[in-house]
Amino acid sequence: DTAVSQTPKYLVTQMGNDKSIKCEQNLGHDTMYWYKQDSKKFLKIMFSYNNKELIINETVPNRFSPKSPDKAHLNLHINSLELGDSAVYFCASSQFLTGIGAFGSGTQLSVL
Amino acid sequence: DQQVKQNSPSLSVQEGRISILNCDYTNSMFDYFLWYKKYPAEGPTFLISISSIKDKNEDGRFTVFLNKSAKHLSLHIVPSQPGDSAVYFCAAWNGNKLVFGAGTILRVKS
Repeated sequence: DTAVSQTPKYLVTQMGNDKSIKCEQNLGHDTMYWYKQDSKKFLKIMFSYNNKELIINETVPNRFSPKSPDKAHLNLHINSLELGDSAVYFCASSQFLTGIGAFGSGTQLSVL
Repeated sequence: DQQVKQNSPSLSVQEGRISILNCDYTNSMFDYFLWYKKYPAEGPTFLISISSIKDKNEDGRFTVFLNKSAKHLSLHIVPSQPGDSAVYFCAAWNGNKLVFGAGTILRVKS
């Protein structure tokens, strides 16, 4: 009964590959996010979706494409993976225009 | 453009004492501030928040203070417990997104 669940927890892949990370929330929230925690440990927002509509796109490369089939799901697809994509990716959800969010446990992506 | 700064990467405190974690911000448009706590291999969890119209908010052992003129906020944990050992992130809300600091690792020694 995890509130925000994301899979996989670990992802090791080669440069140039395409991979996806899935996220689901059962809190009834209408807004979902993807954050990236880089090597300096900053959590930076990448995307946010409200009721399946893109609200925020923080100048993320086009190789990253979020997809929200419904308001409970926000998946992240990454094409042509690069070494610099190695990071921990967190999915989160909240009610629209509130900052209090629930986070998933993260996906550790390692690009070799 | 680091809008939210946590200048202390780590803090070590004895059990029972007060832990004070600090955070500075640069953007005066932020109207809501939050603290998140993160254990290893888990996502951040919401701890406490404060609106920009207040200067203090208390929840049990946790109190957040906001000094708007100094663009500074702090989280006080009294008394500190070993289970409080975690990474604490300060975050600021600008109306549509959270901006996080780099976090402070708190170690509470028993």
